[in-house]
Amino acid sequence: GDSVTQMEGPVTLSEEAFLTINCTYTATGYPSLFWYVQYPGEGLQLLLKATKADDKGSNKGFEATYRKETTSFHLEKGSVQVSDSAVYFCALIRMDSSYKLIFGSGTRLLVRP
Amino acid sequence: DAGVTQSPTHLIKTRGQHVTLRCSPISGHKSVSWYQQVLGQGPQFIFQYYEKEERGRGNFPDRFSARQFPNYSSELNVNALLLGDSALYLCASSLQGGLETQYFGPGTRLLVL
Repeated sequence: GDSVTQMEGPVTLSEEAFLTINCTYTATGYPSLFWYVQYPGEGLQLLLKATKADDKGSNKGFEATYRKETTSFHLEKGSVQVSDSAVYFCALIRMDSSYKLIFGSGTRLLVRP
Repeated sequence: DAGVTQSPTHLIKTRGQHVTLRCSPISGHKSVSWYQQVLGQGPQFIFQYYEKEERGRGNFPDRFSARQFPNYSSELNVNALLLGDSALYLCASSLQGGLETQYFGPGTRLLVL
């Protein structure tokens, strides 16, 4: 079945460091890919998305490129801030009888001043 | 415009009881999906509804049921609560429940004692 694998956390970085969170997926067909962020005690917020191969999603300095050849959608940011501390979830959705999001297990990011 | 709203925000129940969680989608959205997020894990799909019809169901027991009303709001019901039902229950809405973005509410945190 479809699945999403994320690098395990926590990831601890100093402010202004470069961030990469790896995400790979297994799916038949052509899924759409998403990154959601969850701040402590809150629900999920959409961070960015890509709907087809080679698309680059971007938002708030975060970027991810849909790589079909490597089935990956790695999240990157050039300079993290303390306020970026949160849990990041990679997810996919594809055409099916139900359009359900399939999530990875999440990666906790902690940015220290 | 208001986002997805959920009620209540927190709930404490004992084993064997029944619970009803409520969700109001973003105005104009006709599809609602429910997810269960156990602490430390990614959300798991429970149900999707579109135009008051169940479109999909995840791997959850029959104790879990849901419905969608003519105004597109939705209820999730869980009977005979178990300790393992303790989780954050997330509602997401989308325009038509297809490949488009799902927007999440803040969730209802359920604790079963």
